[in-house]
Amino acid sequence: EVQLVVSGGGLVQPGGSLRLSCVASGFSFSRFWMSWARQAPGKGLECVADIKEDGSQTYYVDSVKGRFTISRDNGKNSLYLQMNSLRVEDTAIYYCARDGRIDWWGQGTLVTVSS
Amino acid sequence: DVLMTQSPLYLPVILGQPASISCRSTRGLVFSDGGTYLSWFHQRPGHSPRRLIYEVSKRDSGVPDRFSGSGSGSDFTLQISRVEAEDVGVYYCMQGTHWPYTFGPGTTVDIK
Repeated sequence: EVQLVVSGGGLVQPGGSLRLSCVASGFSFSRFWMSWARQAPGKGLECVADIKEDGSQTYYVDSVKGRFTISRDNGKNSLYLQMNSLRVEDTAIYYCARDGRIDWWGQGTLVTVSS
Repeated sequence: DVLMTQSPLYLPVILGQPASISCRSTRGLVFSDGGTYLSWFHQRPGHSPRRLIYEVSKRDSGVPDRFSGSGSGSDFTLQISRVEAEDVGVYYCMQGTHWPYTFGPGTTVDIK
């Protein structure tokens, strides 16, 4: 069974940084694009970043460009999201997801940006 | 960015009766490879979303056949032939053709 286990969320002050990690199992990780998506409390869904199978291509939604970095380690079946210069509006549940167009969602982790 | 709209935003349904949700995009969703990347997701409170339908009308493994998707271009529909209690929650459409991929605002399905 596909599993995507996320860690690294928490409370951070505006301007701070966090790194989210996602460990994948149950499928051949290196053969899939991977994604991070988020959901602000009580709100809808937003794709944040995508990364190609080999990490050679990445895409970001405009609101996080220059602040967030998606990366992966295929040897460790792991996906990462480095979040810098965090803003209050980045507060959300962050999901790790399989495939750029998302066919499977992991459990989310709450990131709260607040002073 | 491609804006996705859904209607209705709230849908009270009677168990055993059909339900239908509309999704429209501000751009056509046919990709350069000829595919139309429109998906439907279901999210129950406190849970991660689950994909039900991909490429407009293809049902994911394990999804009951009471769920069906249709449409083309920029106009799409999710239909539930006979609503069951487990179908309550929020339904989102998502376009995966133009980056950034975008979601509709969600339709809340509840039992009347």
